[in-house]
Amino acid sequence: AQSVTQLDSHVSVSEGTPVLLRCNYSSSYSPSLFWYVQHPNKGLQLLLKYTSAATLVKGINGFEAEFKKSETSFHLTKPSAHMSDAAEYFCVVIPSGGYNKLIFGAGTRLAVHP
Amino acid sequence: GAGVSQSPSNKVTEKGKDVELRCDPISGHTALYWYRQSLGQGLEFLIYFQGNSAPDKSGLPSDRFSAERTGGSVSTLTIQRTQQEDSAVYLCASSSQTGDQETQYFGPGTRLLVL
Repeated sequence: AQSVTQLDSHVSVSEGTPVLLRCNYSSSYSPSLFWYVQHPNKGLQLLLKYTSAATLVKGINGFEAEFKKSETSFHLTKPSAHMSDAAEYFCVVIPSGGYNKLIFGAGTRLAVHP
Repeated sequence: GAGVSQSPSNKVTEKGKDVELRCDPISGHTALYWYRQSLGQGLEFLIYFQGNSAPDKSGLPSDRFSAERTGGSVSTLTIQRTQQEDSAVYLCASSSQTGDQETQYFGPGTRLLVL
């Protein structure tokens, strides 16, 4: 079955430094992968999605992710963190079998310090 | 246009009571999903609607949980005889069946607390 593993439950960075949130996927085929963000007391918002058109995917707010099949990874990065990036980030996969239901990773809570 | 809306935003109930949670999807979105977000289990899929039918109910945790959708729009998730372990945030999402069918748009959720 398809699944995703987020390697860090918490990541803390200083404002202006790079962000790296790690995600590995398990799939026997080329999956559809997503990153969603959840700000405190807010709904889930799509950051970016990978659907095999390009391995480097650019999303909103300066985030991007690279699909690496050889490493089964889909890590999320941002060159320079902003205080407003503090939130919980979820790596998500759509399993095969139809219906497009989302399978979520456990989440990574990003803290940004001044 | 308007996004996905859910009501109530917060619900406190006593153990054993029934609760109904409502979801209004984005207008024209025929696909609707319910998810649950809890401390112990993270974010889990509950049920999927295509129009008024639910071809995938595999995530409903017990027969105390049911959902319906009428008119291809509003959906109601009902939990009967609530238990403390039902305390969670219940999220609804919808997606279009034309164009990008995979991107789901989420509502703000209903926070349920069972005392």
